[in-house]
Amino acid sequence: SQTIHQWPATLVQPVGSPLSLECTVEGTSNPNLYWYRQAAGRGLQLLFYSVGIGQISSEVPQNLSASRPQDRQFILSSKKLLLSDSGFYLCAWRGQETGELFFGEGSRLTVL
Amino acid sequence: KNQVEQSPQSLIILEGKNCTLQCNYTVSPFSNLRWYKQDTGRGPVSLTIMTFSENTKSNGRYTATLDADTKQSSLHITASQLSDSASYICVVSRYSSASKIIFGSGTRLSIRP
Repeated sequence: SQTIHQWPATLVQPVGSPLSLECTVEGTSNPNLYWYRQAAGRGLQLLFYSVGIGQISSEVPQNLSASRPQDRQFILSSKKLLLSDSGFYLCAWRGQETGELFFGEGSRLTVL
Repeated sequence: KNQVEQSPQSLIILEGKNCTLQCNYTVSPFSNLRWYKQDTGRGPVSLTIMTFSENTKSNGRYTATLDADTKQSSLHITASQLSDSASYICVVSRYSSASKIIFGSGTRLSIRP
């Protein structure tokens, strides 16, 4: 069966520090991978998606970047965090047959 | 503009009661509509999926309906339990590229004992 792992679960970082959130998927090949951000009381905002190794598409201009160094690994990064980067970040992969999104457990980022 | 709007924004009901959550969308071309349940601090989990030709889909105490003509969907929860306390998110997919999945802002449901 397929599983998705996301870490760290919580993170408190000072403004201007770097960020790296990691996501890995097991049990599937060549998945579509997504990074979402969820602000408190708001809907999910798509940040990046990837349809293959090294292929990254960005939906909104921002202080963040994404990379896909391996088929089942998706990384969200920043060189210098801003206060506005605080939020709940979710990684997801999409099933090819049903189109269902399967989410990781999320990473709570607080920038102080 | 492709949008998904949910109502109410929040809802509080007593344990054992029923409730209905609403979702209106303007997404085109429509592919499917899903309802997700998101517990606090967790990732969303799919409850139901409905395509254009489906009117009703049940998953235990959860029943989703879809009216493709009026572009409305509802999620009915029967005999609510404390564990139903969560956010319920309506998600609509387009026939398009991998990114075209549009999320509603969710309904926050609280079940009181």
